[in-house]
Amino acid sequence: ETGVTQSPTHLIKTRGQQVTLRCSSQSGHNTVSWYQQALGQGPQFIFQYYREEENGRGNFPPRFSGLQFPNYSSELNVNALELDDSALYLCASSLPGQSYEQYFGPGTRLTVT
Amino acid sequence: GNSVTQMEGPVTLSEEAFLTINCTYTATGYPSLFWYVQYPGEGLQLLLKATKADDKGSNKGFEATYRKETTSFHLEKGSVQVSDSAVYFCALSDRGAAGNKLTFGGGTRVLVKP
Repeated sequence: ETGVTQSPTHLIKTRGQQVTLRCSSQSGHNTVSWYQQALGQGPQFIFQYYREEENGRGNFPPRFSGLQFPNYSSELNVNALELDDSALYLCASSLPGQSYEQYFGPGTRLTVT
Repeated sequence: GNSVTQMEGPVTLSEEAFLTINCTYTATGYPSLFWYVQYPGEGLQLLLKATKADDKGSNKGFEATYRKETTSFHLEKGSVQVSDSAVYFCALSDRGAAGNKLTFGGGTRVLVKP
């Protein structure tokens, strides 16, 4: 069984640019959540997608947006990058009816200069 | 809102020592509780879980008991190995307006020396 995969592994962007991060959920998992983990801190919830619609959002500005596709894969888009957006971005997927139990991918390390 | 507080690290231990990492939480309703582990350069791995009061989660020699009366979910292992060196995160999940999001503590770094 393939776990959650994310791409790219690492990314360097300049302040003001836009970035798209990708996530493939674990087989059979239809709910995808995104988290931001700043260095030395715990992950912070960005948003969750279920059936291609946003199913909840944390305290992040609108320049953080997402998509979920029919195959349950997902994208996180961040516009107008700021230096504080530098972090590890984690994607997590969960089974139908068990979205409280989430399985994480390895993350994408984003550095904004 | 929901919150999780866990002891700050780093925690440095010798191999075969007893490990305890304290975790307390604040939540409305009846959350599920989790411990995740993060090895260097990797994402989070689910270590164990408990979904209701008095449940004990266990995995790989680690244990934690859901204590509703003290709102705690302390992680324990009787004999640690060097390979247990990692950052451990306590988390809760509670259905709310933001879906089933996980709320994490700040993490506790554990270093086990041979």
